[in-house]
Amino acid sequence: QLQLQESGPGLVKPSETLSLTCTVSGGSISSSNFYWGWIRQPPGKGLEWIGNIYYSGNTLYNPSLESRVTISVDTSKNQFSLKLNSVTAADTAIYYCARHVLRGGLPDEFDQWGQGSLVTVSS
Amino acid sequence: EIVLTQSPGTLSLSPGERATLSCRASQSLSDSLAWYQQKPGQAPRLFIYGVSRRATGIPDRFSGSGSGTDFTLTISRLEPEDFAVYFCQQFRISPFTFGQGTKLEIK
Repeated sequence: QLQLQESGPGLVKPSETLSLTCTVSGGSISSSNFYWGWIRQPPGKGLEWIGNIYYSGNTLYNPSLESRVTISVDTSKNQFSLKLNSVTAADTAIYYCARHVLRGGLPDEFDQWGQGSLVTVSS
Repeated sequence: EIVLTQSPGTLSLSPGERATLSCRASQSLSDSLAWYQQKPGQAPRLFIYGVSRRATGIPDRFSGSGSGTDFTLTISRLEPEDFAVYFCQQFRISPFTFGQGTKLEIK
């Protein structure tokens, strides 16, 4: 049974870099059938897709965050990671990692999600 | 960017009733639409993908329909565990946007 688990600091100071890692267990991150993605949700609000990565390292980012985001993958550890720099209070959110199904080579639904990690930006 | 508009914002119904949730897109999506359920303190859970396909373990009282820009999630007879927030999401064009959600609450 596939599981995804986010980890990282729960508190980040303004202007610094938010860093999270998602560890995948019960399945290989190197599957050709999936992207691996990050989604965030400010408390009490809606969902925002941040970006995806393929096991080969190919990435796809939300243009609204692209200038500040880096997603990377470590296949040897079955992990992928998110870095978001120059954070402000507006980046306070629950950050979810998720598996993104590919159908016919095109991205489709997010079928498995981590439990989420609350990151607060505050001095 | 494709904008998804969900309606209503809140739907108040009783167990046993039928629920109809709407998701309207600013551009045609073909079949690239999914629905998620989210309960308080939990991650979203995939319920419907490809407009009408139920995810693993989802009961058949849930059904998705629609085409083009108008999509519907229908719950035929509400059970107590169905009361939650439902989001639609499109995968037609990046960025992969979500609707703002419909809260289904007990009347």
